[in-house]
Amino acid sequence: GEDVEQSLFLSVREGDSSVINCTYTDSSSTYLYWYKQEPGAGLQLLTYIFSNMDMKQDQRLTVLLNKKDKHLSLRIADTQTGDSAIYFCAERLYSGAGSYQLTFGKGTKLSVIP
Amino acid sequence: DTGVSQDPRHKITKRGQNVTFRCDPISEHNRLYWYRQTLGQGPEFLTYFQNEAQLEKSRLLSDRFSAERPKGSFSTLEIQRTEQGDSAMYLCASSWDRGRDGYTFGSGTRLTVV
Repeated sequence: GEDVEQSLFLSVREGDSSVINCTYTDSSSTYLYWYKQEPGAGLQLLTYIFSNMDMKQDQRLTVLLNKKDKHLSLRIADTQTGDSAIYFCAERLYSGAGSYQLTFGKGTKLSVIP
Repeated sequence: DTGVSQDPRHKITKRGQNVTFRCDPISEHNRLYWYRQTLGQGPEFLTYFQNEAQLEKSRLLSDRFSAERPKGSFSTLEIQRTEQGDSAMYLCASSWDRGRDGYTFGSGTRLTVV
């Protein structure tokens, strides 16, 4: 299957940590990604993780991968109002003949309360 | 390089008209992708090119949709005989090789069919 599931909304207070969760169904996915989308804009790549890793940290962002449960999370430390956006989880799937494509979840809308 | 450029940013058209969108990828990237995003959904894969070859087009939504990438540089996406259901954001992305580092997305073209 190619379904990527995310909760639709998350609200946190400024300065707290945000944790956005994602589950995917295709165990053959080798790379998993987090993208950010602000209103009316395209998608900005935040970070990605290779499937042989459990964790990846990049400044305020921490990605955790539980491959057994097909669960991916994105933690944003010290959340700021500028982090308010929609966050998409995506998995990279092989679709044959050297072709790969990203399959996205529906996105989690993060609202940061000042 | 200024990233992936898409033109126009917004397009309003009457039902039944043809529309064409343009995408200029990052010059070093050999792969180019088209996605469609409707309100409240994640991006949905449509088609992709490796250089000038269109290697995957089975996900194009109907035979009214077509894409080209002459000379392996910019790409165009054409929708013929537009319908109201075609109203969406059309996103272009590019990557180097198989895109393990993720895709770089443009800001998108928002199409409104009235």
